[in-house]
Amino acid sequence: RKEVEQDPGPFNVPEGATVAFNCTYSNSASQSFFWYRQDCRKEPKLLMSVYSSGNEDGRFTAQLNRASQYISLLIRDSKLSDSATYLCVVNGKTSYDKVIFGPGTSLSVIP
Amino acid sequence: DGGITQSPKYLFRKEGQNVTLSCEQNLNHDAMYWYRQDPGQGLRLIYYSQIVNDFQKGDIAEGYSVSREKKESFPLTVTSAQKNPTAFYLCASAPGGATGELFFGEGSRLTVL
Repeated sequence: RKEVEQDPGPFNVPEGATVAFNCTYSNSASQSFFWYRQDCRKEPKLLMSVYSSGNEDGRFTAQLNRASQYISLLIRDSKLSDSATYLCVVNGKTSYDKVIFGPGTSLSVIP
Repeated sequence: DGGITQSPKYLFRKEGQNVTLSCEQNLNHDAMYWYRQDPGQGLRLIYYSQIVNDFQKGDIAEGYSVSREKKESFPLTVTSAQKNPTAFYLCASAPGGATGELFFGEGSRLTVL
């Protein structure tokens, strides 16, 4: 089993739609979780951290379920500019630990 | 401005040649990482370093080598032993002692002819 798995995608959604991405991780000792965004042929950039209580940043909502070892990202009112690949990232307790990236889920928002 | 710099951005090499990719950061970060990304694929960890003069193999270290002689520098050498070296290579850094985001360089795109 891979350490971090994501919905394979691609997701093609119309502008204004709500879309949700799922991610599961295998190491129950994992401590920190993130969603990154990667545009085509560019480096990944942090979208948001994922906290145990869930957190929201504008149109983006992230959830963590430690019992099920599951992370989600919800995007509301999709914009054309949201088109990108979304990467789920799992880390240990500190930045000294190995950082594991999921394979990513591709999103295309269509006019 | 603080950041992480990779060079060169594009590199073409003949098969059998060793290649060294540079990664420099002025963020005073302890941890540094090298990832490889193939078209349509996720990031795979090659090597990472927690402190100066120490580094650990990632998932795909075979055919690669690194050094960490200075805190700000973490060069990656792609050796002739690497069977499929053509890829997008990403270097990242992170502050030690606390979880937080990874800061990425813009990447180096290596093509072996």
